Amino acid sequence: EVVITQSPATLSVSPGETATLSCRTSPTFSSNLAWYQQKPGQAPRLLIYGASTRATGVPARFSGSGSGTEFTLTISSLQSEDFAVYYCQQYNNWPLFTFGPGTKVDIK
Amino acid sequence: QLQLQESGPGLVKPSETLSLTCSVSGDSISSYWGWIRQPPGKGLEWIASVYYTGRAYYDPSLESRVTTSVDTSKNQFSLRLSSVTAADTAVYYCVRLAYSYDSRGYTYYGMDVWGQGTTVTVSS
Repeated sequence: EVVITQSPATLSVSPGETATLSCRTSPTFSSNLAWYQQKPGQAPRLLIYGASTRATGVPARFSGSGSGTEFTLTISSLQSEDFAVYYCQQYNNWPLFTFGPGTKVDIK
Repeated sequence: QLQLQESGPGLVKPSETLSLTCSVSGDSISSYWGWIRQPPGKGLEWIASVYYTGRAYYDPSLESRVTTSVDTSKNQFSLRLSSVTAADTAVYYCVRLAYSYDSRGYTYYGMDVWGQGTTVTVSS
């Protein structure tokens, strides 16, 4: 069974600061991880795939890293539009997927 | 530009079957597609992935109740979820699974296009 944890559940950050979100998967996966952003009342938006590749149109302040079981999404110089919920998604058994529970980034 | 639009009843009675259709416009349906749902106040749940040929993959916890289909003539794919309960109340999204395939196999580029979502409530 695939288990994904995201931490923290909620992250309070001031605009202009850096947010670091963690995603831990089990069992071990390679770089088969994506990140999505979801704002209230909207569909999710793809940010990162392959653990570190930004999707088309995603600003450079979003960066992904990690491999194996531990992955990180870093949002540098947070803008007002970045306050949202972020989900990681593993796809080691593509096209089967598992989403993490999400991390909410809110304004400090 | 590819667009997806979900359609179907917003209210389904317990024990009945939920049926949704996703209409694809702006591109060919010759790809992989998916269904994702989000219960109120909760996270994202993958339900199914379906190839345009009809081959499908389902979440094991829902597999006994889920069926999918593709109508290439209408550029649509569909989801049916039987024996619904209140736990199936959610926003349902259809998505495109961006990928490529070559001699090395599949490369996945994420769920790059999402429908706006449709709310389905299970209630008598």
